[in-house]
Amino acid sequence: DVKVTQSSRYLVKRTGEKVFLECVQDMDHENMFWYRQDPGLGLRLIYFSYDVKMKEKGDIPEGYSVSREKKERFSLILESASTNQTSMYLCASSPQTSGRFLDTQYFGPGTRLTVL
Amino acid sequence: QKEVEQDPGPLSVPEGAIVSLNCTYSNSAFQYFMWYRQYSRKGPELLMYTYSSGNKEDGRFTAQVDKSSKYISLFIRDSQPSDSATYLCAMRSGATNKLIFGTGTLLAVQP
Repeated sequence: DVKVTQSSRYLVKRTGEKVFLECVQDMDHENMFWYRQDPGLGLRLIYFSYDVKMKEKGDIPEGYSVSREKKERFSLILESASTNQTSMYLCASSPQTSGRFLDTQYFGPGTRLTVL
Repeated sequence: QKEVEQDPGPLSVPEGAIVSLNCTYSNSAFQYFMWYRQYSRKGPELLMYTYSSGNKEDGRFTAQVDKSSKYISLFIRDSQPSDSATYLCAMRSGATNKLIFGTGTLLAVQP
């Protein structure tokens, strides 16, 4: 079974802090994604990566950065956390193949981040 | 206007009912259509996958795509309390690996 793990289930940080969210997958997937999920807005893509050291902006990259130094690990960084970044953050991975396999994204359990 | 529209619900039905969940979209380039299911405090998981138009059936679940109307549906027959979850539609064009998700519909099946 594919397993995607996220470093924390719940996190509370203060405004202005630097926040690291870690994601690790164990299936040698090329693609990794970071989303945030908010009521009424659904899942929105923040950043994604097709390969090590490669990253592309998603739909809402402002205020975030990412790092992918190893294939299995994809980190999301909030350089200076703000209250409007309070959200559920979901990491996902998928293989770089075609059709159904490409679109089968395996999600982690999520990190609920609260910024005070 | 959002690219993908989905009624957030909540939708409450009695056990055994037929459930219909729907999404509309605006981008005619979308070719790949998915339904993900998300249980409370879990990440989403892929439930159904359809390429282009047509129907796909898997047990109690049927996915329909009508590209001419830009409308997709998920039908659940003989619904069970274990089907209670949020259902998210997702789709993409052939030009990208990015999925566009709907906001999700919260379904509650009452025993």
